[in-house]
Amino acid sequence: SQQGEEDPQALSIQEGENATMNCSYKTSINNLQWYRQNSGRGLVHLILIRSNEREKHSGRLRVTLDTSKKSSSLLITASRAADTASYFCATDDGGSYIPTFGRGTSLIVHP
Amino acid sequence: GAGVSQSPSNKVTEKGKDVELRCDPISGHTALYWYRQSLGQGLEFLIYFQGNSAPDKSGLPSDRFSAERTGGSVSTLTIQRTQQEDSAVYLCASSSFRTSIDTQYFGPGTRLTVL
Repeated sequence: SQQGEEDPQALSIQEGENATMNCSYKTSINNLQWYRQNSGRGLVHLILIRSNEREKHSGRLRVTLDTSKKSSSLLITASRAADTASYFCATDDGGSYIPTFGRGTSLIVHP
Repeated sequence: GAGVSQSPSNKVTEKGKDVELRCDPISGHTALYWYRQSLGQGLEFLIYFQGNSAPDKSGLPSDRFSAERTGGSVSTLTIQRTQQEDSAVYLCASSSFRTSIDTQYFGPGTRLTVL
């Protein structure tokens, strides 16, 4: 299956700054999800956005979806050192039951 | 409630040996996935179980890899005659499968090192 692509591959910012990560995909989707992974271990679900939604918020997270451009962005506002992690987007590739994950964006937030 | 658990957390083995990795999904979750993640890479899909349906094995990289899910709950991923390129973190996830893809809940993973 085709893979979503996150960019940038790596992002380094200072605490308090905003972090923006982008995800592009190739096929039509029903929904897109963002996950966080700390220390190369299990992923933690952050937010799900459906194809008929354009924007969603959860705490300091804001996700947008532009289906015409086949892209999504994840914005973390007022970042904290604890936000240091890898962030992945996952798409369902036209309704497949097997999600496709990108390679992730590695975020480092310096205290 | 309890999340997804995996065992062992770390496994070091010698090339050519067989290994078994275990996943205990969240109770009541009908969907179970296995993924592999090499250092600094994304998740590579391996196999998908859904209820009593035949599993989707399309992601298994070779016939040395196999998996079972007994009683619709616990799953075991077996790698026979391990090779050094099998070294990776093996992640298991489960979901309640209400729509096309529901939120996946991941276990902590098993880090496999083949010497």
